[in-house]
Parts: sequence; C-alpha cells; structure tokens
Amino acid sequence: AQSVSQHNHHVILSEAASLELGCNYSYGGTVNLFWYVQYPGQHLQLLLKYFSGDPLVKGIKGFEAEFIKSKFSFNLRKPSVQWSDTAEYFCAVYSGNTGKLIFGQGTTLQVKP
Amino acid sequence: GAVVSQHPSWVICKSGTSVKIECRSLDFQATTMFWYRQFPKQSLMLMATSNEGSKATYEQGVEKDKFLINHASLTLSTLTVTSAHPEDSSFYICSASQYRGTEAFFGQGTRLTVV
Repeated sequence: AQSVSQHNHHVILSEAASLELGCNYSYGGTVNLFWYVQYPGQHLQLLLKYFSGDPLVKGIKGFEAEFIKSKFSFNLRKPSVQWSDTAEYFCAVYSGNTGKLIFGQGTTLQVKP
Repeated sequence: GAVVSQHPSWVICKSGTSVKIECRSLDFQATTMFWYRQFPKQSLMLMATSNEGSKATYEQGVEKDKFLINHASLTLSTLTVTSAHPEDSSFYICSASQYRGTEAFFGQGTRLTVV
C-alpha cells in the first residue's frame, strides 16, 4: 500500500541553523512528490514539487528538496532557517497508478529567535 | 497561486442531522478533488478522491453512505456528512488539482462539531 513517512515529528532549531526534514515513501510506481507548509491558522501551501528532471528542486522561501529514487526519499532542506519558518511541514506523494495524494505525518518546526 | 474556497469554515450541528460542505476552485477547473480529515496534532487522512463526472473513490474504512461526495462540475465538489454523530466531529479539508498529478491547492478547512 502507498504510504509516506516523515522521520521527524517535532524539530526545534535556533535561527540561522540548517534544516533537513526526512521523507520516505513506499511506492514503486510513477510518483509526483510535494512538500506543503501550514503556518499557524492558515491553510496548506505548496513549498515545492518534483515531477521529473533535475532531482534537486528549489521552492519558495529558500527551501529545496532532493529526490533520491534509489532511497525512495524526498528530503526537505533549508540552509538557514528564520523564526518565520515556524510551521507544520508535510510531505505528500501522488501515485499515478492509484490517483491518490497521500500525506506524511507532518513535522512541527519551531524556530527560536 | 490558485484559490480553493471551502465553506463553511466552521459548523455546529445536532446529532442525527446532515451537514454539507462545499469546495470550490475559484480560478481554475479542477478535474480532481481530494477530501481529507485531520485530527488534532495529526496528519491529513485521505477520505476520498473525486474526479469530475465520475463516482468518488473512497478509502478503506470510510463509509460512502455516510460521507457523500459529489463532484458535479469542474469547479465544485461537496461533502455531505449524513446523520452526523459526535465522533464525526473533526476538521475536514478539501483540495483541488487542475490535472491529475499536478499540485493540489487547499481550502481553508471546515471545523465540524456535532453536539
């Protein structure tokens, strides 16, 4: 069955620290990969996406993610976090075969000023 | 980005009544809409996938007779919670994609409280 796993449930960082959030999926077919962010009190917004091509994708607000097909991973990174990055981050995988968009458990990021 | 509007934002209803939640794509045509349920401090649990013009595909464990989904047009999908009970109280979120597999845009969610 299609599933998405995020390894870090709650991350606390100081401003300017580097961030990496792990995401693994368990589906071997054609997939499209996404990272969404949910700021407090707001709806989910797309950070970045991967469909094909260069496995290193850049998104908004300085975020990037790397797709490693052999590891079924799509980890999110940011070199230097800001207090305003405090939010909930969700990895999501769309399966071309099932037509489903499945989310990981989410990671709460807290950035201390 | 594209806008998805979900109404109402919150609703309180009596046990045994039905509640309809609307999800509209305002500036694009959505061939696919997803309905999720989110419990406090938890992720989004996919309830069903709805493709315009066809019946919704429900996830295992989701009662299709209780959670009626209609995707009658390319800009509107509705979720009706029938004979609601307190255990149906939750946060329901819809999302819409213009094409299958492309990014999904999310509504603001609906907080349903059944008393």
